[in-house]
Amino acid sequence: AQSVTQPDIHITVSEGASLELRCNYSYGATPYLFWYVQSPGQGLQLLLKYFSGDTLVQGIKGFEAEFKRSQSSFNLRKPSVHWSDAAEYFCAVGTGKLIFGQGTTLQVKP
Amino acid sequence: DAMVIQNPRYQVTQFGKPVTLSCSQTLNHNVMYWYQQKSSQAPKLLFHYYDKDFNNEADTPDNFQSRRPNTSFCFLDIRSPGLGDAAMYLCATSRSAGGGEQYFGPGTRLTVT
Repeated sequence: AQSVTQPDIHITVSEGASLELRCNYSYGATPYLFWYVQSPGQGLQLLLKYFSGDTLVQGIKGFEAEFKRSQSSFNLRKPSVHWSDAAEYFCAVGTGKLIFGQGTTLQVKP
Repeated sequence: DAMVIQNPRYQVTQFGKPVTLSCSQTLNHNVMYWYQQKSSQAPKLLFHYYDKDFNNEADTPDNFQSRRPNTSFCFLDIRSPGLGDAAMYLCATSRSAGGGEQYFGPGTRLTVT
């Protein structure tokens, strides 16, 4: 069955600290992979995507993600978190219809 | 700027009173999606249009209908809203149905009283 797992429901980091949000997927073939961010009461904004090629992809707002086929993972990273990064983060996979993970809520401590 | 627009941003309706949410896009994308998102949950796909072709998800209740009169507009109709239909409704578009990123609107927060 196709699925996306974000193991961490809630993460708290200090401002300026590094961040890694985990995403594991189960899919029949290599899917397209996405990370979206959602601020409270807002829609989803695309942070980055992986279709093929270089497995380390750069996105907006200083985020990057690495596709690891052997681990079926697509973890999101940022070297230094800003208070404005506090939001809900969704990993999604698919080749058309998207399958979303349950989301990770990021809280940033001053 | 090209974008996905949803109106209204907040909608209050009464139990059982039909309500329509609207979505428009200036991206000229072929595919439009409607998602339901409840608090602290992932978006759940209700249905999507590829051009004029309507594709309903198997578990979408019959209470939910959609119309796409032209490329730019898509409507979500809830015929008889129940308390359980209170949620954020997200519209999204994509250039094609075969993959690629989806662009989301800001959502409509529906309250059912």
